Amino acid sequence: KAGVTQTPRYLIKTRGQQVTLSCSPISGHRSVSWYQQTPGQGLQFLFEYFSETQRNKGNFPGRFSGRQFSNSRSEMNVSTLELGDSALYLCASSWVALAGADTQYFGPGTRLTVL
Amino acid sequence: AQSVTQLDSHVSVSEGTPVLLRCNYSSSYSPSLFWYVQHPNKGLQLLLKYTSAATLVKGINGFEAEFKKSETSFHLTKPSAHMSDAAEYFCVVSPPNAGGTSYGKLTFGQGTILTVHP
Repeated sequence: KAGVTQTPRYLIKTRGQQVTLSCSPISGHRSVSWYQQTPGQGLQFLFEYFSETQRNKGNFPGRFSGRQFSNSRSEMNVSTLELGDSALYLCASSWVALAGADTQYFGPGTRLTVL
Repeated sequence: AQSVTQLDSHVSVSEGTPVLLRCNYSSSYSPSLFWYVQHPNKGLQLLLKYTSAATLVKGINGFEAEFKKSETSFHLTKPSAHMSDAAEYFCVVSPPNAGGTSYGKLTFGQGTILTVHP
């Protein structure tokens, strides 16, 4: 069974631009979570989607948004990029993410660099 | 509220010697606990998870962890380190029940970088 895939793997943008990252979950998984990883802040939860609905959101500004499609694929968008948005963005999928009952499986990440 | 503290930011061992990576957690509930590993420029791979079935959990690649409620610890061990074990390790906590602010949200420790010397 194929794992979680993320595209693109690497991205370079300039300040003020916007970016869209994509995540395809493991087949059959319906929950997708997004995390930001930086050297200073570590791994931080962005948001979680299930059946096209955002069920949970971390403490990030409104410039960070996401959505999920009917096939469970998910995208996240960052508008008006700032230098501090440079990070590895990780997507994880699970069956239904019953917070502890399910294991989250991670993709390889998208490395975003903002210049 | 829940949190995770990994007690060592770096651990260095020689190949063939035991590995101990320490993790303490804080949770208002009986949590689920995980260890993930991240090799350079890669995503996170699940090593093992604890969900209250047994306090000693065996994972992949010879790793195991013991849940000690009285000490609120979940330390990761391996009897004999291999060069391929060099990576960053994350201790992770998840609340046991779904709902509200629990959905999908894992709380990560700051990570422990394991270096293995030949």
